[in-house]
This record gives sequence, C-alpha cells and structure tokens, in this order.
Amino acid sequence: AQSVTQLDSQVPVFEEAPVELRCNYSSSVSVYLFWYVQYPNQGLQLLLKYLSGSTLVKGINGFEAEFNKSQTSFHLRKPSVHISDTAEYFCAVINTGNQFYFGTGTSLTVIP
Amino acid sequence: NAGVTQTPKFQVLKTGQSMTLQCAQDMNHEYMSWYRQDPGMGLRLIHYSVGAGITDQGEVPNGYNVSRSTTEDFPLRLLSAAPSQTSVYFCASSQDRRKQYFGPGTRLTVL
Repeated sequence: AQSVTQLDSQVPVFEEAPVELRCNYSSSVSVYLFWYVQYPNQGLQLLLKYLSGSTLVKGINGFEAEFNKSQTSFHLRKPSVHISDTAEYFCAVINTGNQFYFGTGTSLTVIP
Repeated sequence: NAGVTQTPKFQVLKTGQSMTLQCAQDMNHEYMSWYRQDPGMGLRLIHYSVGAGITDQGEVPNGYNVSRSTTEDFPLRLLSAAPSQTSVYFCASSQDRRKQYFGPGTRLTVL
C-alpha cells in the first residue's frame, strides 16, 4: 500500500523568504507524485507533478519540487514567497491502480 | 467548459436522514472520484469509478453508496447520515491518472 507523509502541519514564513514543504512517500512500485494547493473555501488545484524524466519539476506560481528516489521524498520549494501563497498544500501519490493517496496537508502562512 | 460541478454547496442533515451529493463533469472524463476532507487527515478516497457502470471502493467507503449510469454524473448517496460523516466532500474527475480536476466541494454537517 502507498502512504504519504507530510512532516510539517503548519509552516509560517515571512514574505519574500524561501520555503520548503516536506513530503515523503512509501511505495514498493513506481509512482506518480503530485503537489496540490487549496486556497480557503476552494477545491484543490494542481501545482505540479512528477511522472518520469527529470527529477526537478517546475510548476505554477514559481513552485518547484525535486523527486528523490533514494530518500523517497518529493519536497516542494519556492525561493521567495508572497502573501498570496498562503494556503493548504497537499502532497499526493498514485500507483498503477487509480487511487490517489493524499498527505494530511501543510498549512503555509506567509507573514507580511 | 464548466469543469466539475457539485451541488449543494452546504447541507445540514439530522442523524438518520438520507441525501445525495451531486457531481457532474462536462469534460468527458472516464475517471471520477469522491473524497472527504477532515481536519488533520487530508483527503481520503471514498469511492471511485473508471467509467460508466463501473465503481469501486476507496479507503473509507462505509456509509456511502455510488453509481455511475452516465459518463457525466457520479452521485454520492448517504443512506442514513451519522455525525461522523460531517465533513467537506470533494468530487474529482480525470481522463488519465496524471491530473485530476476537483469540484468546489460540499460542506456537510450532520447533527
């Protein structure tokens, strides 16, 4: 079975500072990895995904993530955050079936 | 395209009542799923469908029924609501496994 662990439930960061949101997964088979963002009272939007190829994946809004197979990690990074990045971020994995497994989420709060 | 739509946006039920959460998509996607979102638990898959007439259970299926008579619609039924089913429910659709489109959610409270 797959599982996703997001190590930080809340991450406060000052505006224009860098941020890293951590995600680790467990799986014995090849997986696809995703980061989604949820703004208050909205559904989830896809930030970026890793399917294959380059381990550094760039997404929308200046976010990027690096797939590290040996550490089974897929951490999300942004070099300079904005107030508008305040949201809940979810890491997810899907295997050869069709079931997504989501982490418990990280609440990013950008402080002016 | 309207994308994925969900109705209602908010609902309050009494314990034991039944109701159906509606989900529709106009993108001709084969895959559709229902999730519930609870604080500190992320999203958990309730049921999913890989095409009309085909449904399967996810991680937390108990207390919920689904059917998929058309490609567009994937309703979620609560036959006898319980307070433990108070949650935010999201429907999602995708053509392949690489990108899901989420609806805006239904906030359900069971008293």
